[in-house]
Amino acid sequence: DAGVIQSPRHEVTEMGQEVTLRCKPISGHNSLFWYRQTMMRGLELLIYFNNNVPIDDSGMPEDRFSAKMPNASFSTLKIQPSEPRDSAVYFCASSSGTGRPSPQHFGDGTRLSIL
Amino acid sequence: AQTVTQSQPEMSVQEAETVTLSCTYDTSESDYYLFWYKQPPSRQMILVIRQEAYKQQNATENRFSVNFQKAAKSFSLKISDSQLGDAAMYFCAYRRTNTGNQFYFGTGTSLTVIP
Repeated sequence: DAGVIQSPRHEVTEMGQEVTLRCKPISGHNSLFWYRQTMMRGLELLIYFNNNVPIDDSGMPEDRFSAKMPNASFSTLKIQPSEPRDSAVYFCASSSGTGRPSPQHFGDGTRLSIL
Repeated sequence: AQTVTQSQPEMSVQEAETVTLSCTYDTSESDYYLFWYKQPPSRQMILVIRQEAYKQQNATENRFSVNFQKAAKSFSLKISDSQLGDAAMYFCAYRRTNTGNQFYFGTGTSLTVIP
């Protein structure tokens, strides 16, 4: 089975530009999570979806960040406009709400560098 | 809200020796899941082991085992016969069983294996 697929693997862009990160969860998983990882803050949950509906977006840093899940097989995390402090590794993870226990399966992450 | 605490930011172990990484959590729920994830320098998040709170028996996966103390809300990871490939960041995670499917991660413990 394919795991969680994230793209791009690396992104380097200049501040002010729009950045879009993409995620394809594991087929059949009904929960999707976006995390940000930095040395200073560790692993932070930004937002998560259940059945394509955003459940908790309290971790989204500010209005420059937005996330969508238009269907069960695709999600995006957008930063507009981007700033140097947004540089981090962004992980997408998915999980099944059924079955016991159900861990989160992580993608390989997107390393984002804002110059 | 649930919190997960890893009080050891860094640990080291001699190759072939045993090391224990600690994790405590705070919850008012009686049924939940606990996980340990490993993040090597490749930055992939890899599930190491999982434990269901209603099971008293400690989970074991080859050289990895846990000491689950439900009353003390403690979930430590023991790595036996440490290998160089075990060097990584280790994250403890808690997952609720009721609605939401949210995970809570600790801040991680960086494990160094000394040859």
